[in-house]
Amino acid sequence: NAGVTQTPKFQVLKTGQSMTLQCAQDMNHNSMYWYRQDPGMGLRLIYYSASEGTTDKGEVPNGYNVSRLNKREFSLRLESAAPSQTSVYFCASSRPGSRRGGHGYTFGSGTRLTVV
Amino acid sequence: DQQVKQNSPSLSVQEGRISILNCDYTNSMFDYFLWYKKYPAEGPTFLISISSIKDKNEDGRFTVFLNKSAKHLSLHIVPSQPGDSAVYFCAASVAFGNEKLTFGTGTRLTIIP
Repeated sequence: NAGVTQTPKFQVLKTGQSMTLQCAQDMNHNSMYWYRQDPGMGLRLIYYSASEGTTDKGEVPNGYNVSRLNKREFSLRLESAAPSQTSVYFCASSRPGSRRGGHGYTFGSGTRLTVV
Repeated sequence: DQQVKQNSPSLSVQEGRISILNCDYTNSMFDYFLWYKKYPAEGPTFLISISSIKDKNEDGRFTVFLNKSAKHLSLHIVPSQPGDSAVYFCAASVAFGNEKLTFGTGTRLTIIP
């Protein structure tokens, strides 16, 4: 199983450009998440989707939009990139009850984004 | 407001000794806690978890302790091995609602051979 696949792995954008980060999971998980990792800040939730057709804001949603295209795919869009969005972005998924089941999230390998 | 805090950004431990990573939280609604391990250029992977109804959970070399009154949890690794060198994140979630996790800032553990 591939698990959670993120594309691209690396990207450099100019300020003001737009791009979409792609995420797909093949584990039939209901919930999907986008986090960003910054030095000294840990992992912060940007958006999440509890199920197909629903999305909700996390801790740091400003400057981002998301689309839960179907059960497998959850994309993150930067409409007008800013240097403050330079970060490593992780997508994750979880099955219902996984919190209680102890396995938590399955993460992708990340997208390293630099905005210049 | 950082609800989950890991106050030690880094920790170095000799191979074979015990590694103790600490985590504090402020939200009394958190009832489930997890530890994740992250290698460079990879996503975090689940390591071990504990429910608030317990104060200890073991899995091989890894033990997590929870002190609810102090809002503190710790991860013990014994004996420490070179492959344990990684960044460790603690995470927490509330009792009801969705599966959202709140992560700490991470501790970089280096095992010295």
